[in-house]
Formats: sequence, C-alpha cells, structure tokens
Amino acid sequence: EVQLVESGGGLIQPGGSLRLSCAASGFTVSSNYMSWVRQAPGKGLEWVSVIYSGGSTYYADSVKGRFTISRDNSKNTLYLQMNSLRAEDTAVYYCARVGEWLLRGYYYYGMDVWGQGTTVTVSS
Amino acid sequence: EIVLTQSPGTLSLSPGERATLSCRASQSVSSSYLAWYQQKPGQAPRLLIYGASSRATGIPDRFSGSGSGTDFTLTISRLEPEDFAVYYCQQYGSSWYTFGQGTKLEIK
Repeated sequence: EVQLVESGGGLIQPGGSLRLSCAASGFTVSSNYMSWVRQAPGKGLEWVSVIYSGGSTYYADSVKGRFTISRDNSKNTLYLQMNSLRAEDTAVYYCARVGEWLLRGYYYYGMDVWGQGTTVTVSS
Repeated sequence: EIVLTQSPGTLSLSPGERATLSCRASQSVSSSYLAWYQQKPGQAPRLLIYGASSRATGIPDRFSGSGSGTDFTLTISRLEPEDFAVYYCQQYGSSWYTFGQGTKLEIK
C-alpha cells in the first residue's frame, strides 16, 4: 500500500528547532518529487518546500533560510528541519508525493499521496 | 510568483445541484500544471484533478475540470452529500507551488 506517515510535531518555543519526518511505504522517495505543505489553524493550504528526484530543493519565501528539506534514501524517509521557529509557523504539516503523469507527450503533476499530518505549535 | 484567486469564497448549494468553482491566476499557467484538491475537516487534502482536466485515480466522473491560461473551473455535475468540503486549486512552477485560498462548498 502506498502510504506516508509523518511524525515529529509538537510544542516548541519561539526560536527553537524541530525536525519532522515522513516515512514512505509502497514507493521510493528518492525516485519522486516530494513536498511539504502546511495549514495554519482555520486557514488554507500553504506550500512550504519541495525536493526533486535529482536532489534540487526549493522553498517558499516565508521559510527560506530557516527550513531545510532532505531525505534519507536508506530509510525511504523525507525530513523537514525547522529552525528559528516563529508563532506564524504554527500549523499542521503534511508531506506529499508529487505525482507525475505522461499524457499525449506532456508531463502533468499533482500531489497524489498525502500523509495524515503532524501538528507543530510554536508558543511560549 | 503566480497568485491564484478562487471564487466564490463560499458556495451554498443543495444535493443534486451543479457546482461551479473558479480559479483565476495572476498570469498565465500551463494547463499541465494546474490541479484541484478536496479537503474535508480533519483530513488531508485529496487530489481530484491534474493537468487542469484529468481526473485522478478513483475520482467519480461527476467531477470535471476545464480552462486554460488564467481561468480554470472545477465543476461538480450533481452534488452528493459527501462532496461538501473545501476545494483548492494549485499551480506548479519550476521551483514553486502555490495554492488558491479555497472555496468552501456548504449545504444550503
């Protein structure tokens, strides 16, 4: 079964650090684009970061320089290292696989597998 | 950065009715890179449509997507009780992804 399971969330003080994990099963993390998306309480979805199969990484401006996305191929696990946390980083964090389909000679993309989410609360 | 604006913010309809949700981009988006998601309370989002008009695996054919350039539409032909949820559009660029702010579809 294709599945993603996040862990590592919790309560952390402003300025602190936290590392989120996303364990994959049923597919290979390193062969796919993988992303983190967050959702603040009562708000919409916000894209956070992506790591491509080739290893390139990209970040939303709101987290650039503070968050780092990475993966451990031996553990088939995606990570999000979050430093210098702020109250506005409080959210449910989801990891997601970015699916890729080749149709009629074009590539199409969409986040087709999602984890259940892990909650990060930044508060003193 | 491309901004996606969804309308309406809230749509109140009854089961059996047709729902039309709009997603407008601040600049042209390749149809290949436009997706729609459904999210129910307490659940992770679910991919409905990719490539602006292709249904994801297991998605009922009452869901359809259309559009190009800066204007995209998600249509639900006949609303079922389980369709009442929040819907998001998303676009993919070479190094960033953005979501619309969402449309809440509620029971009238």
